[in-house]
Amino acid sequence: GAVVSQHPSWVICKSGTSVKIECRSLDFQATTMFWYRQFPKQSLMLMATSNEGSKATYEQGVEKDKFLINHASLTLSTLTVTSAHPEDSSFYICSAHGLAVQETQYFGPGTRLLVL
Amino acid sequence: KQEVTQIPAALSVPEGENLVLNCSFTDSAIYNLQWFRQDPGKGLTSLLLIQSSQREQTSGRLNASLDKSSGRSTLYIAASQPGDSATYLCAVKTQGAQKLVFGQGTRLTINP
Repeated sequence: GAVVSQHPSWVICKSGTSVKIECRSLDFQATTMFWYRQFPKQSLMLMATSNEGSKATYEQGVEKDKFLINHASLTLSTLTVTSAHPEDSSFYICSAHGLAVQETQYFGPGTRLLVL
Repeated sequence: KQEVTQIPAALSVPEGENLVLNCSFTDSAIYNLQWFRQDPGKGLTSLLLIQSSQREQTSGRLNASLDKSSGRSTLYIAASQPGDSATYLCAVKTQGAQKLVFGQGTRLTINP
C-alpha cells in the first residue's frame, strides 16, 4: 500500500524559533498534499492544500506567513512553522493524494510539536 | 458548506458486543466517504472507503454502510475486542473538492 512518512516524529523547540516538518510519499507520486492540525481530543483541522509546483491554498483563519508550505516535488512537501510560540504546540499530520482522482488520501504518522 | 457529525462522541462497551458508530453529513453530493481509526498520539489508519455509487463495504469484522440520500453512514463492528479501542473518524469528500471534511470522532473503549 501507499506509504507516507513524516519527519521528525516529534520536536521540542524554544519560543521564537522556526521548525520545519517534512512529508514524503515513499512509493507513489503525490500531486496534492494536505496539512492538518489536531489539538488534544479534537478532530483534524485542515490547514492548507498544496499542489506540486504551485502555491498552497490556505483555509480561512490560517496565517500563510506563519505556516509556510512548500511542495517542490511530487514526493515531498514541507511545513515550516515560523517564529513558533507555545500556542503552536500541536499534532501536525500530512496526507498525500495520488494521481488518480478516485484515490484516497494516505496519511502520515504525524509530528508532535512542543514549543516551550 | 459540508459539515460532518459523529454520534456518540464516546462509547464504552464490554468485549464481545456488536456496536454501531454513526456519521451524518449535510451535503449529499459526495464523492466518497471514509472511515479511519486513530490510536492515541498516532496518525490515521484507513479502515473502509465507500464510493458514492456504493451502499456498503466490508473488511473483516467491520462493515460500513452509506445512505447518500439521507446523509448518513454507519460503521458496524462485530464481536468487539479490546484492541478495537481507539478513536474512529468519519470523513467525506464532496464532489468537486479535493479536501476531506472530518467529523469530530467517536472515542471507543472496549472493556475486557
